[in-house]
Order: sequence, then structure tokens, then C-alpha cells
Amino acid sequence: AQSVAQPEDQVNVAEGNPLTVKCTYSVSGNPYLFWYVQYPNRGLQFLLKYITGDNLVKGSYGFEAEFNKSQTSFHLKKPSALVSDSALYFCAVRDWTGGYNKLIFGAGTRLAVHP
Amino acid sequence: SAVISQKPSRDICQRGTSLTIQCQVDSQVTMMFWYRQQPGQSLTLIATANQGSEATYESGFVIDKFPISRPNLTFSTLTVSNMSPEDSSIYLCSVIGTSGGTGEQYFGPGTRLTVT
Repeated sequence: AQSVAQPEDQVNVAEGNPLTVKCTYSVSGNPYLFWYVQYPNRGLQFLLKYITGDNLVKGSYGFEAEFNKSQTSFHLKKPSALVSDSALYFCAVRDWTGGYNKLIFGAGTRLAVHP
Repeated sequence: SAVISQKPSRDICQRGTSLTIQCQVDSQVTMMFWYRQQPGQSLTLIATANQGSEATYESGFVIDKFPISRPNLTFSTLTVSNMSPEDSSIYLCSVIGTSGGTGEQYFGPGTRLTVT
């Protein structure tokens, strides 16, 4: 079965510094990978996805992610963090097992950006 | 993108009772999903609901406890039956956009359920 792992429960970054939220995946076949963000008391919002093509994917709110096949990673990055980026971030992979199409989520990483 | 609304947004229920959560989408979609999320935790898929067929439940979830209806391509309901405090959670409806499997999945705002 497909799965993703987010090794860090929390990431702390100072405002203005670059940020990285890590994600590794385990899939059979080509991975369809996604990042979502959840702000407090709000639903999940789609940030970006990797399906095929360029390994560097750009998404919403200045975020980008780099797909690395050899390291089976799909880390989320932003060059300069904002306090407003503080939220819960989820990496996810599309699972086609059993003929059904579903999204499998990682455990989530809480990003805290300090002024 | 798809806009999803859920009703109710939150509820407090007594154990032993049932609650039906409604999910309405602003466009026709083939696949709808129901997830459960403990606050601050990851999302767990309960079931996939396709119009015109029985819902497909994930391991650990059964139809008697979480019956699902999918009468058309824009609407679904999830019922949490015979509730216990362990059912306290956020329940989210989700759909895949028009791009199908390669497209992003959209989520409703969630229904926050507290069982006392």
C-alpha cells in the first residue's frame, strides 16, 4: 500500500528564514503527491501537487516542493517564512490499490513561525 | 475548484443517539469521500461514496456504524450511529476535482462532533 511519512511533529522557524517541512513516500509505481495546509479551525486547503514533469513544483502562498525520486522525498519549502504560515501541514499520496482512488495522509507537521 | 458545504458545522450529542451529516457540492463529482480527524491529528478515511453503488469502507469502519447515502452527483450523507464519546471528532467530506485521479482533492469545512 502507498504511504507517506512526515518525520517531524513540529518545525520552528524564525520569520524571514527559509522553511522546510519534510515528507518521504513509499509507493509502488509512479507517485502522485500532494501537500495540504490546515489553518486553525479551518478546513484543508490544497497547496500543490506532483504528478509528473519538473521535479520542482510551485504552489499557493509562495510554497514549493521538490520531488526527489532517489530519496523518495517530497519536501515542502518556502524561501522566506511568514508568521501567517503557522499551521498544520499534511503530505499525502494518491493510492490506487484495489481499483479505488483515495488520498492517504501523513501524520502532519505543525509549523510555528516566530516573529 | 469545487466548493463543499457541510451541515451541521458542529453538534453536541448524547451517547446512544445518531447524527446525520450532510455534504453538498457545487458541481457534479463522481467520487466523494468521508474522513475523520481528531483535532490536530491526521485524517483517516472512513469510506468512499460513489453514486449508484454501495459505499466502500476502510478497515475498521462498518456500514452499520457509519451508513452513507449518495443519492446524486452533488450530495452525500454520513450517519454516525449509536454514538459514544470515542466518536467525538471532526468529520470531513471530500471530492476529487474534474481532473480525476491526478487532480487535487477538495475538502469541506468539517463537522465538529462532541459526544457526551
